[in-house]
Amino acid sequence: DTEVTQTPKHLVMGMTNKKSLKCEQHMGHRAMYWYKQKAKKPPELMFVYSYEKLSINESVPSRFSPECPNSSLLNLHLHALQPEDSALYLCASSQDGQGTGTSQPQHFGDGTRLSIL
Amino acid sequence: AQSVAQPEDQVNVAEGNPLTVKCTYSVSGNPYLFWYVQYPNRGLQFLLKYITGDNLVKGSYGFEAEFNKSQTSFHLKKPSALVSDSALYFCAVRDRGDSWGKLQFGAGTQVVVTP
Repeated sequence: DTEVTQTPKHLVMGMTNKKSLKCEQHMGHRAMYWYKQKAKKPPELMFVYSYEKLSINESVPSRFSPECPNSSLLNLHLHALQPEDSALYLCASSQDGQGTGTSQPQHFGDGTRLSIL
Repeated sequence: AQSVAQPEDQVNVAEGNPLTVKCTYSVSGNPYLFWYVQYPNRGLQFLLKYITGDNLVKGSYGFEAEFNKSQTSFHLKKPSALVSDSALYFCAVRDRGDSWGKLQFGAGTQVVVTP
C-alpha cells in the first residue's frame, strides 16, 4: 500500500469539463509534487509546493491549476484540457521542503489515469 | 546542469540469473542518486539512494547499487532475479549543491524476467 493516496484512480472528461484531482499524505512531509507521465516515459515535473506555498511551476499551461489547502492535501484543478493532456498524473511528497538540498526520496501515489475525449 | 542516462531500453534475464540495470549521470557538483521501480498501473516506488559513504548501497527487495565516482555510474543489481521483478526501472539524480534542484530522471529501463 502506498502512503500517498490519489483520487480518483481513473478520470474521463471532455475538453470543456472542469474536474479536480486530489492527493493526500499523512507522513508529515513538507514538500508535495505533481508530475505528468506518459506511457513508458519518465515523470515530468509540473509543480512543487514547499511548506504549502507554490515554489516551482514548470511553465505548465494555465488549464492546470494547483492548490495546497493544507500540509496534507494537494489538488490539481483541470479545465478545458486538450487530448494531449491524457496521461498518468502522479502526486509525490518528500520529508524536507525544497530549498534544503534534500537527500530525502520522494514517495509517489499510484496516480490518476486521465483520458480527454 | 544535470542529466541521467540509462543506455538500455530493455533488459531481458532468466529467473535466477543476476540482474543489472545501468545508469550513468552528469552533474556539476556532487550527486544524490536514487533508483525507483514502477510496476504496471502503479506509481514509482523508491528502492534505494546514495548520499555518501559506502559505495555499495543496499535497498528494498534484495536490490543493491554500486556508486562509482570515476565512471559516474550508479548501476542497480540483484544477484538472483525473480519474475516479479519485471517492471520499469528509473534512475534519478539531484545535484546536492543546488538546494532547489529538481529530481532528474533517466529514460527508464524495462526489465523482463522470464521463468
